[in-house]
Amino acid sequence: DADVTQTPRNRITKTGKRIMLECSQTKGHDRMYWYRQDPGLGLRLIYYSFDVKDINKGEISDGYSVSRQAQAKFSLSLESAIPNQTALYFCATSALAGSDTQYFGPGTRLTVL
Amino acid sequence: GNSVTQMEGPVTLSEEAFLTINCTYTATGYPSLFWYVQYPGEGLQLLLKATKADDKGSNKGFEATYRKETTSFHLEKGSVQVSDSAVYFCALRGGGSYIPTFGRGTSLIVHP
Repeated sequence: DADVTQTPRNRITKTGKRIMLECSQTKGHDRMYWYRQDPGLGLRLIYYSFDVKDINKGEISDGYSVSRQAQAKFSLSLESAIPNQTALYFCATSALAGSDTQYFGPGTRLTVL
Repeated sequence: GNSVTQMEGPVTLSEEAFLTINCTYTATGYPSLFWYVQYPGEGLQLLLKATKADDKGSNKGFEATYRKETTSFHLEKGSVQVSDSAVYFCALRGGGSYIPTFGRGTSLIVHP
């Protein structure tokens, strides 16, 4: 089984709808991240959490919110989806600050019509 | 703040050609440096890393050396295969920040 899972893998929705993307991990890591990937722009950090009680905004948090329900679960919500939020979304985990490796989920492809 | 700059793609090569993807960084102190690879339809996965100056990371025939004097971490492979076709991301962690910094990615296309 994959260490970092994301659901759904694909989602098509309409402008104005509320959407939740979910991430679960079995690696036992404290730190979790949400990124979006757009062609030519690489990865951009949306939110990150260093433990269950710690939530921090990344560089592009406007229009998004998150919930850290448990050490293993980190959800990303789009309160009112808009077309320019169409992108590939990745969840990632890591064990420590500083030099540690990140582990990525397989991604969720979101299309907002 | 920290930043990572990598060469724009796509890089198109024939099988068995030599590969170099350039990566330079800006950071304070001594960050750890990473190369991640993203195969089509998948998430990123660690390819190799180096945690201090002059360290060489290596994996699957790929190598990169942490060059503090030139603030670089160029990715190389002596003989690429079609299966190496993917997007490669240079990244750093540390250097005064707990947040990882990624380059924009370089697409590699290898033809038979």
